[in-house]
Amino acid sequence: QAVVTQEPSLTVSPGGTVTLTCDSSTGPVTSAHYPRWFQQKPGQAPRTLIYDTNNKQSWAPARFSGSLLGGKAVLALSGAQAEDEADYYCSLLYSGGRPVFGGGTKLTVL
Amino acid sequence: QLQLQESGPGRVKASETLSLTCTVSGGSISPYYWSWIRQTPGKGLEWIGYIYYTGITNYNPSLKTRVTMSVDTSKKQFSLALHSVTASDTAVYYCARDSSEGYIWGQGTLVTVSS
Repeated sequence: QAVVTQEPSLTVSPGGTVTLTCDSSTGPVTSAHYPRWFQQKPGQAPRTLIYDTNNKQSWAPARFSGSLLGGKAVLALSGAQAEDEADYYCSLLYSGGRPVFGGGTKLTVL
Repeated sequence: QLQLQESGPGRVKASETLSLTCTVSGGSISPYYWSWIRQTPGKGLEWIGYIYYTGITNYNPSLKTRVTMSVDTSKKQFSLALHSVTASDTAVYYCARDSSEGYIWGQGTLVTVSS
């Protein structure tokens, strides 16, 4: 089974910019993996933030964006706010319609 | 507004079957895929599988031999059975609607496997 890798933790300053990546053990991440990003705050269920690489859910602030770069899926946050401190997970879709989640990135805004 | 609510025992004995039900409200059960996903501190999020409203299933290969999913469209419910559980199956279990726009998640329910 494929392994999806994310940075375990990242720190960003308030108002700063940070990029989170999502890598696949099977090769470059492409749009055919239908990358998704989820935000999870303590004690809460995850919420879908980005789907199909770069499409934002209606609740998602404009400061979040998704893309593909360097063979990875990327979640960028520009103008970080304290409320963005959370765990972020990505998922990639593999053959047979089976998604695999990354291990998550703990984002600290400090 | 679509809401999903997991229900079932919070504690299951090792070697027995974990059974959960997800009730859908505020929306239709068709024509969607309905997933089960679990979260453990050690392994993060793990996709267990999905069931289409017609009853077609797709399971995680690592759990396939122990998983059974079912759907009851009249009750707007779908269910998970995980057989022969061990301590490593202790997790928060989420039900979710899967669509082209991603998952809509239930609030999750903690299931502890005890010896």
